Amino acid sequence: QSALTQPASVSGSPGQSITISCTGTSSDVSFYNYVSWYQQHPGRAPKLIISEVSNRPSGVSNRFSGSKSGDTASLTISGLQAEDEADYYCSSFTSSTSWVFGGGTRVTVL
Amino acid sequence: QVQLVQSGAEMKKPGASEKVSCKASGFTFIDYYLHWVRQAPGQGLEWMGWINPNSGGTNYAQKFQGRVTMTRDTSISTAYMELRRLRSDDTAVYYCARGRYTSSPFKVWGQGTMITVSS
Repeated sequence: QSALTQPASVSGSPGQSITISCTGTSSDVSFYNYVSWYQQHPGRAPKLIISEVSNRPSGVSNRFSGSKSGDTASLTISGLQAEDEADYYCSSFTSSTSWVFGGGTRVTVL
Repeated sequence: QVQLVQSGAEMKKPGASEKVSCKASGFTFIDYYLHWVRQAPGQGLEWMGWINPNSGGTNYAQKFQGRVTMTRDTSISTAYMELRRLRSDDTAVYYCARGRYTSSPFKVWGQGTMITVSS
């Protein structure tokens, strides 16, 4: 199972919106609506911020939103804040009942 | 509260084996799948496999098949991940994480266990 494809880095100014893409295949992203997004700050465990493509767990800011079209999922962060500077990973359940992660995207707040 | 507490950091020689533990508390251990995910220094997350604590059934990523074994001890609500024939590129932080079903996202994570493989 190959890793999902994410851009290595995305940057934006405070208050702006940014979008991170996550491209998979017919065996994962486009096969199921089980795409999740995780935020990871340095030295910390990942934190779930989006599940099942677009669901936000309780306590996660509504500035985070997710969507999917075909084999590409996307995470949008609106109203970018300094605390959003982190690494973001997409992941997808696959047709072999396994999981695959994206390579990760470093978000920089300018 | 719901938490997963992992064993401490280890240093290993190439060719050795390492067994990491993940102790669950605050929830019914057998009701949730436990996944193992690793992260090499400066690298991304890599899914290794899952174990169903109720049945003991497992599913390993193809990359680790033959080298990894995931087990559990329901009497102490603890899951284990053993990786054999360690290489330097196995140096990583190893996380356990909980999901309600195989397709469920990982809402609860352990704190991570650093395994360093070096001669």
